Amino acid sequence: DAGITQSPRYKITETGRQVTLMCHQTWSHSYMFWYRQDLGHGLRLIYYSAAADITDKGEVPDGYVVSRSKTENFPLTLESATRSQTSVYFCASSESAGGGRTQYFGPGTRLTVL
Amino acid sequence: AQTVTQSQPEMSVQEAETVTLSCTYDTSESDYYLFWYKQPPSRQMILVIRQEAYKQQNATENRFSVNFQKAAKSFSLKISDSQLGDAAMYFCAYRSARNYGGSQGNLIFGKGTKLSVKP
Repeated sequence: DAGITQSPRYKITETGRQVTLMCHQTWSHSYMFWYRQDLGHGLRLIYYSAAADITDKGEVPDGYVVSRSKTENFPLTLESATRSQTSVYFCASSESAGGGRTQYFGPGTRLTVL
Repeated sequence: AQTVTQSQPEMSVQEAETVTLSCTYDTSESDYYLFWYKQPPSRQMILVIRQEAYKQQNATENRFSVNFQKAAKSFSLKISDSQLGDAAMYFCAYRSARNYGGSQGNLIFGKGTKLSVKP
């Protein structure tokens, strides 16, 4: 199906483990974003990517790593998960950064770190 | 840095009535975009309405309209004829029109307003 998908939708892991959240979009959008959503904070930007092999930090990047070898995929890795990374993670994409281009969001991944 | 403030953590409206959700923002930029997103219990983020800062005319989308006051840096959302399906979290978001510099194109969100609709 066309659109933006995330996997897994739910994940439970333990402190110290490595976890990778996947994001895939079928529109060939240049820009992709990772946000986390926590109660009382709204959504905050973790990392973004302007194109394949171009990534940059957002507001809360510590503890996360991203890569973008292909335009359509933008995985987010927690190298050593901590309880403070328990959150809902959203991936988004848009055609460009400038202008009022709409950002389209994936369905989110709920991550619990025990 | 830009900030977005939603001062109403929760709101309630009677079905078929009108409700207004508040949003203020702070920026030194003159060109930007403002958005309202809806997040129902499914967690999916759905774009409700968008406003370009350079347009004086308020955006409307069916039962949804905004009151954009650029000088006051205010961007409220009005929902008319509220329906049960309107119950959700609503997020106000800001996006710079710049296409350079850090955090290009990302949205800056408020903390959200939870809207309940009473039958």
